[in-house]
Amino acid sequence: DGGITQSPKYLFRKEGQNVTLSCEQNLNHDAMYWYRQDPGQGLRLIYYSQIVNDFQKGDIAEGYSVSREKKESFPLTVTSAQKNPTAFYLCASKAPAGHETQYFGPGTRLLVL
Amino acid sequence: QQQVKQSPQSLIVQKGGISIINCAYENTAFDYFPWYQQFPGKGPALLIAIRPDVSEKKEGRFTISFNKSAKQFSLHIMDSQPGDSATYFCAASIKGRRALTFGSGTRLQVQP
Repeated sequence: DGGITQSPKYLFRKEGQNVTLSCEQNLNHDAMYWYRQDPGQGLRLIYYSQIVNDFQKGDIAEGYSVSREKKESFPLTVTSAQKNPTAFYLCASKAPAGHETQYFGPGTRLLVL
Repeated sequence: QQQVKQSPQSLIVQKGGISIINCAYENTAFDYFPWYQQFPGKGPALLIAIRPDVSEKKEGRFTISFNKSAKQFSLHIMDSQPGDSATYFCAASIKGRRALTFGSGTRLQVQP
């Protein structure tokens, strides 16, 4: 059963705390992405990775960090520097060059206590 | 800086009617234009996509119309059904580059 999994479904963060969102894919896709979704604003790109051990900042990278140590995994850490982290976080992946379709995971909703 | 503008923000259509959502883009380097459908609490799923070398693409009840000179594209949902009630996003990307640039979304409600 191929696809993208994200965990947890809901995550609560205390002020000053770093939290990590998990994203795993078994589609053998090279590229992976993290988007943030806020009401009425669509999806905005946080970070993306085209290959293992390489990643690039997106449009709203401040306060976030990522790693790409394995092809199937692309975790996102929301640091204490992100002052407004409440949002729906979506991970996506894309097949190799020539294929443009991005496939999305089910998302993680992050709430601040 | 919003490179893809989407309208309307919300849309109410009667069952069996036609739903029309419009998008306009600024960057002429965009060459891939997908539409995504998202249900509450779920990730977006690809609905249909088009490249600028064609003016229209149809898949079942869903049609994309593309106007390259006007830098606009639209999604038409024929015979709209209550199950089509969702949020729809247009997007654009440059081949082989980065990620998708999304519109702000349209919340569609199809009334029975």
